[in-house]
Amino acid sequence: GEDVEQSLFLSVREGDSSVINCTYTDSSSTYLYWYKQEPGAGLQLLTYIFSNMDMKQDQRLTVLLNKKDKHLSLRIADTQTGDSAIYFCAESPDSNYQLIWGAGTKLIIKP
Amino acid sequence: NAGVTQTPKFQVLKTGQSMTLQCAQDMNHNSMYWYRQDPGMGLRLIYYSASEGTTDKGEVPNGYNVSRLNKREFSLRLESAAPSQTSVYFCASREGAPSTEAFFGQGTRLTVV
Repeated sequence: GEDVEQSLFLSVREGDSSVINCTYTDSSSTYLYWYKQEPGAGLQLLTYIFSNMDMKQDQRLTVLLNKKDKHLSLRIADTQTGDSAIYFCAESPDSNYQLIWGAGTKLIIKP
Repeated sequence: NAGVTQTPKFQVLKTGQSMTLQCAQDMNHNSMYWYRQDPGMGLRLIYYSASEGTTDKGEVPNGYNVSRLNKREFSLRLESAAPSQTSVYFCASREGAPSTEAFFGQGTRLTVV
């Protein structure tokens, strides 16, 4: 069945790197997404990766995709207090119009 | 750009009352979605509309109805609210499957007492 899994919490020190992990199940997904939700707000697209890519870098963000293991990760370099949020992984199966969401990882920044 | 607009932002209902959550997008998107978000459970799809004139059930449709009024608007109705429907509701839209970004409204925080 369709399922996207993430751990619920991650705590890192300010200035360190944060790595948020996700596993997904539908190998037909052409696109995999990372969304960010700040407190009291809706979700906003942070970055995405095509399934034929292994890595995508965008400033402080690095997305790694291991298609064989169906594993996706988001690395945030030099984590800042403004990065405190919930991060959602999502896949977009080619077979339907839905997005399949993980439960979200709450990133907690320690001073 | 307004993007996706949801109303109201907050609502308190008594058990058994009805209400409609409104959603409108100005991006000419084909697909629209209603989700509920509960702590530790991520986003759960209630209903979606792949295109104007069609609606389909998602993961948790019981107790809800939807109307795709036109391409812009997709409303969610609670006919007889229950405390289990206390949640934050998000509307989203996207151009179409499978490749495109979903845009979200700011959410409606609903409490049923």
